[in-house]
Amino acid sequence: GIQVEQSPPDLILQEGANSTLRCNFSDSVNNLQWFHQNPWGQLINLFYIPSGTKQNGRLSATTVATERYSLLYISSSQTTDSGVYFCAVCETSGSRLTFGEGTQLTVNP
Amino acid sequence: GAGVSQTPSNKVTEKGKYVELRCDPISGHTALYWYRQSLGQGPEFLIYFQGTGAADDSGLPNDRFFAVRPEGSVSTLKIQRTERGDSAVYLCASSLTADYDTQYFGPGTRLTVL
Repeated sequence: GIQVEQSPPDLILQEGANSTLRCNFSDSVNNLQWFHQNPWGQLINLFYIPSGTKQNGRLSATTVATERYSLLYISSSQTTDSGVYFCAVCETSGSRLTFGEGTQLTVNP
Repeated sequence: GAGVSQTPSNKVTEKGKYVELRCDPISGHTALYWYRQSLGQGPEFLIYFQGTGAADDSGLPNDRFFAVRPEGSVSTLKIQRTERGDSAVYLCASSLTADYDTQYFGPGTRLTVL
């Protein structure tokens, strides 16, 4: 099956800093989603982005499907951005999401 | 509108018991998915339904796990003879269709097997 690798595994920032999270995947995909899992465990949709670039406020994402990677940018980070960020993909032959191991982000005041 | 809901939010049971976990998808969503998340890991796929039928159940770990969606809306995940290793958060998601669509997740059911 498809492999998904996220980096870095852990990231500690001061409030106001910018960061880039990376997701590499091993095969062609028809779906790529970025999620934020909050401290209560809820998976919150950030982006549906199998290709191209999207922006939503302080967050933006870019997926380069031909090179099999996606980047999530967080600008002017806030303490409420803390949590685990997951990248998840669907292979072109299926509908199931395969998740990476996540990036644990801690934003300190 | 209402998101995906799951009940119960927490379930504690004893080893060997039977449990049922319920998922109410977003209204009108035809695809429904079950995932399981162990501590410190990303969610792992269990099964997905397109309408009433299980389109892919390859993620179910063994025959103690079974899921149904009899009317194409609500789904129940059933676990027989629970084991301590079944302890995890069980997540349900739904999407409008099964093709190239955003999956929306519920809050999960935390299952603890003592």
